[in-house]
Amino acid sequence: DVKVTQSSRYLVKRTGEKVFLECVQDMDHENMFWYRQDPGLGLRLIYFSYDVKMKEKGDIPEGYSVSREKKERFSLILESASTNQTSMYLCASSHGLAGAEQYFGPGTRLTVT
Amino acid sequence: AQKITQTQPGMFVQEKEAVTLDCTYDTSDQSYGLFWYKQPSSGEMIFLIYQGSYDEQNATEGRYSLNFQKARKSANLVISASQLGDSAMYFCAMRDFNQAGTALIFGKGTTLSVSS
Repeated sequence: DVKVTQSSRYLVKRTGEKVFLECVQDMDHENMFWYRQDPGLGLRLIYFSYDVKMKEKGDIPEGYSVSREKKERFSLILESASTNQTSMYLCASSHGLAGAEQYFGPGTRLTVT
Repeated sequence: AQKITQTQPGMFVQEKEAVTLDCTYDTSDQSYGLFWYKQPSSGEMIFLIYQGSYDEQNATEGRYSLNFQKARKSANLVISASQLGDSAMYFCAMRDFNQAGTALIFGKGTTLSVSS
């Protein structure tokens, strides 16, 4: 079974802290993604990566950065957390094939106080 | 720009009935894929079904089928014989194959409630 794991299910951080969200996949997928999910807004793409050390901005990259040093790991970094970054964060991975489905991790519910 | 529209915030159905969840999309490309995902209250995203833009037959996976009408740019999900376990949020998504990168664009979702 494809497995995508995320470092935490729940996280509480203070405003201004640097926050790291880790995602690991075990299926040798080329592509990895970070989404943010908010009620009434669906899933919005923050960043994605199609290869090691490669990254592309999604629809809402402001306030976030990413790192992909190894193929299986994709990290989302909140440089200085703010309350408007309180959200559910979902990581996903997929093969590079056009019709390949994305496999999702369980999500991290981040609260910034 | 690509866009997915799900106009039904919530749908209610009784067990064993069929239900259709609407999805329309907007793209100027000819080559793309359409996906449906289910998100139960536990939060995990579960892939249900896929339809490629060049597929002539509507996709089916067990009780799920995708009613693909290319000219109308719609990709409705049909769930036959609803079960209580079908209660969840459902997301329609698409990927343009000619665009750089392969990220999915999601709609805002439809909450399905199945009652006994």
